[in-house]
Amino acid sequence: DAGVIQSPRHEVTEMGQEVTLRCKPISGHNSLFWYRQTMMRGLELLIYFNNNVPIDDSGMPEDRFSAKMPNASFSTLKIQPSEPRDSAVYFCASGMRGAGSYNEQFFGPGTRLTVL
Amino acid sequence: AQSVTQLGSHVSVSEGALVLLRCNYSSSVPPYLFWYVQYPNQGLQLLLKYTSAATLVKGINGFEAEFKKSETSFHLTKPSAHMSDAAEYFCAVSDRGNDMRFGAGTRLTVKP
Repeated sequence: DAGVIQSPRHEVTEMGQEVTLRCKPISGHNSLFWYRQTMMRGLELLIYFNNNVPIDDSGMPEDRFSAKMPNASFSTLKIQPSEPRDSAVYFCASGMRGAGSYNEQFFGPGTRLTVL
Repeated sequence: AQSVTQLGSHVSVSEGALVLLRCNYSSSVPPYLFWYVQYPNQGLQLLLKYTSAATLVKGINGFEAEFKKSETSFHLTKPSAHMSDAAEYFCAVSDRGNDMRFGAGTRLTVKP
């Protein structure tokens, strides 16, 4: 398996623009997680999905952030409008959640977002 | 809810010296415990995991960790540090009912 795939790997945009980050989880996994990592705050869980349904979005910083998972093989994280303080590395992770699983997560390489 | 605490946000060792990264967990049920490593500009990779089998777990790159229930600890060790071990290390905990929770991370520096 190719692992978790994220695109783009790097994104530079200007304040006020819409940004869309994409994730393809590992085939067969039923849970998907979006994280943000910064020097100041470390690794933060933004939202996670189970069987394509959002379960916990309490980590989403504000209404400018939204996430969707239209099917088991694709998810997006959108920021509209973007602000300089959104600059961070955004990670997507997938895993198996349920009976018999260890809830282990497999991470993608991340998208480095810079908002000017 | 389960949680982990990593003692020391930065650890510095000399090449060839023992590496010891500390992790203590809190869980009301038998936990699953993990160590992840993050090299610069990369995602997190699994180093090793404890899933209630052997209490001494061996992972990749010569790392190992020992689950000690009496101390609620899962410290990560490596007998001899290599320059390539410089990275950030995350301890994490989950259990049958809850998703994974990560510690704040420990940045390991290896001096020549």
